[in-house]
Amino acid sequence: DIQMTQSPSSLSASVGDRVTITCRASQSISSYLNWYQQKPGKAPKLLIYAASSLQSGVPSRFSGSGSGTDFTLTISSLQPEDFATYYCQQSYSTPPGAFGQGTKLEIK
Amino acid sequence: EVQLVESGGGLVKPGGSLRLSCAASGFTFSSYSMNWVRQAPGKGLEWVSSISSSSSYIYYADSVKGRFTISRDNAKNSLYLQMNSLRAEDTAVYYCARVYKWSRYDAFDIWGQGTMVTVSS
Repeated sequence: DIQMTQSPSSLSASVGDRVTITCRASQSISSYLNWYQQKPGKAPKLLIYAASSLQSGVPSRFSGSGSGTDFTLTISSLQPEDFATYYCQQSYSTPPGAFGQGTKLEIK
Repeated sequence: EVQLVESGGGLVKPGGSLRLSCAASGFTFSSYSMNWVRQAPGKGLEWVSSISSSSSYIYYADSVKGRFTISRDNAKNSLYLQMNSLRAEDTAVYYCARVYKWSRYDAFDIWGQGTMVTVSS
């Protein structure tokens, strides 16, 4: 089974900061990587699919990159509403499944 | 409005059973694969089960295989999860999620609000 590992597990940052979250797959998954945002008490929300494609309605300050085993989610200028937990997910295998353990982004 | 609404959660004793439902609206339910994803209190997301649009392909996480059964009724625009032999470690919020495909790629683009399942004596 493909394992997904995110780093860091938590991160403190300030409004306006540029933030990068990393996700590593245990084997090559090409560009089959999704990113989700989850706020407390809410369902996850799809941000990025296919490693770098922005889901409709998601602000352009969010971007994704990478292929193979190493991927990044970047928020170019943090906004107050961006403080949340972020998860990566591989969609290489059938069915798509394995999520990373999550990265909690907190206000500094 | 595209929407998924889960129901059926609650408190159940270890060894008991529960059936979750997910009602879909605002899209052609029969065209999409669907999934169940759960989240234990304070923990991350765990994929549970997947079913293709026509129920031809069904998959389970090892942690629930043999105990949980996913099904769907396209005529009723509904997804189900029958959970038997429940354990304390099955305690979680259970989400249903739609799979959207872009060419070769897919992701869970629509999620329900979740339903809480608590397994405790």
